[in-house]
Formats: sequence, C-alpha cells, structure tokens
Amino acid sequence: KAGVTQTPRYLIKTRGQQVTLSCSPISGHRSVSWYQQTPGQGLQFLFEYFSETQRNKGNFPGRFSGRQFSNSRSEMNVSTLELGDSALYLCASSLDLYTGELFFGEGSRLTVL
Amino acid sequence: AQTVTQSQPEMSVQEAETVTLSCTYDTSESDYYLFWYKQPPSRQMILVIRQEAYKQQNATENRFSVNFQKAAKSFSLKISDSQLGDAAMYFCAYRSTYGGSQGNLIFGKGTKLSVKP
Repeated sequence: KAGVTQTPRYLIKTRGQQVTLSCSPISGHRSVSWYQQTPGQGLQFLFEYFSETQRNKGNFPGRFSGRQFSNSRSEMNVSTLELGDSALYLCASSLDLYTGELFFGEGSRLTVL
Repeated sequence: AQTVTQSQPEMSVQEAETVTLSCTYDTSESDYYLFWYKQPPSRQMILVIRQEAYKQQNATENRFSVNFQKAAKSFSLKISDSQLGDAAMYFCAYRSTYGGSQGNLIFGKGTKLSVKP
C-alpha cells in the first residue's frame, strides 16, 4: 500500500508570494492533518480535515488555509509569505479523527527568501 | 490543554546497549493514545510504538518497549540492543480519543539519539 505522498518536496519562495502544498493520504484514510516543523517551535499542528470538512485548527494566522477533496487528498495554502514561514510542512493521514496512529509523509521543505 | 514534555534534548548510547528515553504528559482525560515517533535525518516520521491508555500492559515492538505509568503520567521508551540505524530524533506524542475538536497529535520537543559504534 502506498504511503502518504507530499508534493513538492522542496520549494523556494520570496516574501509576499503564496504557496500551495499537496498531500495524498494512504488509500482508505479519511483524515488528513498538517503540521509545521521548525527548529525553534518544534512540531505545531496546523489543521485537520475529515470528509472534506475542517474539523480542527491550530493557532496559526488566517494566511494558512487548507482544503480536502472528495478523494481525501488535501492541499494547504500559505498566502503573503513571511520569512518565518520557512519550515518543513508535514502531512499525516489516519483512518479517522480519533482512532489510532497517524502516518506521515516525507514533508515539503519551504524556504522563504 | 494537554502537554507533552521530553526532558532530554540529546542522548547517546553505545551500539548493542540499552537506552531509555523519557516522556511525561499532562491531561485530564482518562482515555487517550500515546505514541513514540522516530524521525531519521531523511526526515520521514515513522511510528515506533503506540500505547492505548486503557490497556495496562506495556506495548512492545521487537527491540522497542514502553514503560507506561498512567497515574504518574509517564511514558518512557526503552530501546534494547541499540543499532546504528536507531540514530534519530524521537518524539513522544499524545492523541485524544474523545469526541470533540481536538483529535490532533500533541508532540514533545524531541530527543536526539546518537548511537556510537
């Protein structure tokens, strides 16, 4: 069974631009969540989607948004990029919202110049 | 709100020896999941072991085992017969099983494990 797939793996943007990251969950998994990982703040929860609805949101500004499609694939978008948005963005999938473990993708490394 | 604390930023172990990584957490819930995840330098987060709070028996996966002390809110990971491939960042994580809004993982800051040959 294929794992969680994230694209792109690496990207470089400049301040003020926007970026869209994509995540394909494990087949059959209906919940997709996103985490931001930085050396200073560690792993922070962004949001979680289930059945195309955002069910849970972390403490991030409105510049961070996401969505989930009917096939459970998810995208997250960051608008008006700031230097502090440079991070590894991890996507994780699970069968549902409250059961069991999460399975992670390899991440998308965003650098903002 | 739940919190997870890993008090050892870095640890080192000799190959073939045993090492224990510490994790404490705080919650008012009675049922939840606890996990240890491993993140090697290649970055992909891999599940090492999971524990369901209602189970008193400590989880074991090959060379990895946990010491789950629910009353003390402690969840340590023991790695036996350490191998070079065990070198990685290890994250302790909590996940609620209750219905409501908070089904996400709450992570500790991580422990960087080095394995010496």
